[in-house]
Formats: sequence, C-alpha cells, structure tokens
Amino acid sequence: RKEVEQDPGPFNVPEGATVAFNCTYSNSASQSFFWYRQDCRKEPKLLMSVYSSGNEDGRFTAQLNRASQYISLLIRDSKLSDSATYLCVVNSWGKLQFGAGTQVVVTP
Amino acid sequence: DAEITQSPRHKITETGRQVTLACHQTWNHNNMFWYRQDLGHGLRLIHYSYGVHDTNKGEVSDGYSVSRSNTEDLPLTLESAASSQTSVYFCASSEATGTSNTGELFFGEGSRLTVL
Repeated sequence: RKEVEQDPGPFNVPEGATVAFNCTYSNSASQSFFWYRQDCRKEPKLLMSVYSSGNEDGRFTAQLNRASQYISLLIRDSKLSDSATYLCVVNSWGKLQFGAGTQVVVTP
Repeated sequence: DAEITQSPRHKITETGRQVTLACHQTWNHNNMFWYRQDLGHGLRLIHYSYGVHDTNKGEVSDGYSVSRSNTEDLPLTLESAASSQTSVYFCASSEATGTSNTGELFFGEGSRLTVL
C-alpha cells in the first residue's frame, strides 16, 4: 500500500463549479500536510499548508481529518487557470511523502 | 531574485554511460533534495543533503550518487545509466535547518532524462 494515495482523476469541472478531492495517508504519526500544484511539464509549487482546524486561501479550502487519515482540497468557483495536477504531501518526521497527484481539468 | 536552476533540461544518453545532472540554488538554503517523477508515482526521493558535506540516501537511491561541496550545488550522478532511470528529475531546496522541514520546497524546472 502506498503511504500517500490520491485519486488520479481527471476531475472534469465546468468553469464556475466546485470540485473537491481527498488524499489518504497511512502513517498516523504524520505531523504536517500540504497541497502542491503542478502544471503540465512544470515543477510543483506550494499551494497551501493544511492546518488541523482547516484553512482557506481565497477559493481554496483545505481540511484535515486525523481520525480517518485524510486531507481534502476544495476549489470553489473554478477558473480555467485552476487546471493542473494537485499533489498531496505528508510530512513524517521531516520526510516528505508525495502522492501521485489528482488531475483537475476546468472546462469553459 | 533567488532561484534554483537545473541543467541540462533535456538529455538523451545510452545505457551504461555516466550522467551528471546539475542543480544550483541561490536561496542559500541548507536543505537540498533530488526527486524523480514517473507516471503513476508521486515524487520519489533519491538523495538529500542538510548541509555542506552531508548527503543521505532516499527511497530510490540505487544507481545514483550526490556530493555537496558547497551550499549552492547538489549534482546528481548516474554511475551507469539504465533504461529504468528514464524519468523527469527535480531538484529542490528548503529553508529549514537540520532535520526539520517546513514542507515548503522550492523546485527547479526539472531535467528530462532519456536512457536508450
């Protein structure tokens, strides 16, 4: 079993709609969590950290569920520019584990 | 502006050849990392360094080596390239010191390596 698992998608989303997807992790002792964004054939870039109480950054909302060991990302009012692959990253004692990513395609 | 650069961006080589991928960062970060990215897999850690003269093996280190002679550079060497090492390689750095890690990695643009 992979340590960090994501639905690869693609999630096809009409412009203006809401999309949400999860990431599960296997190590219950993991300390911190992040979402990275990766555009096609580009390098990953940090989108947002995920805090225990949940957090928002504009149209993006991240949640952490420690009991069920998953994190989620919700994108409201999707824009064409949100089309990308979203990577879940889990930090366990300084070691970062990356998920394979969830592809989101926003269509006009 | 500080940055992290990789070279070459694209390389085609033959099985058995030695290949070195360069990574140079001007962030003055202590931590540097090499990952490979393959379809269906997340980024997998090859080697990492927490400072000058420090190097550590990651989860997929076989067939690779690194050296850290200064803060700015962490070259990745494939001793004898194999077709299984065809991949996209990303170098990254982070600001945290020692073994702590804030989770914010700054990535280079990637090096696409094809081994024939």
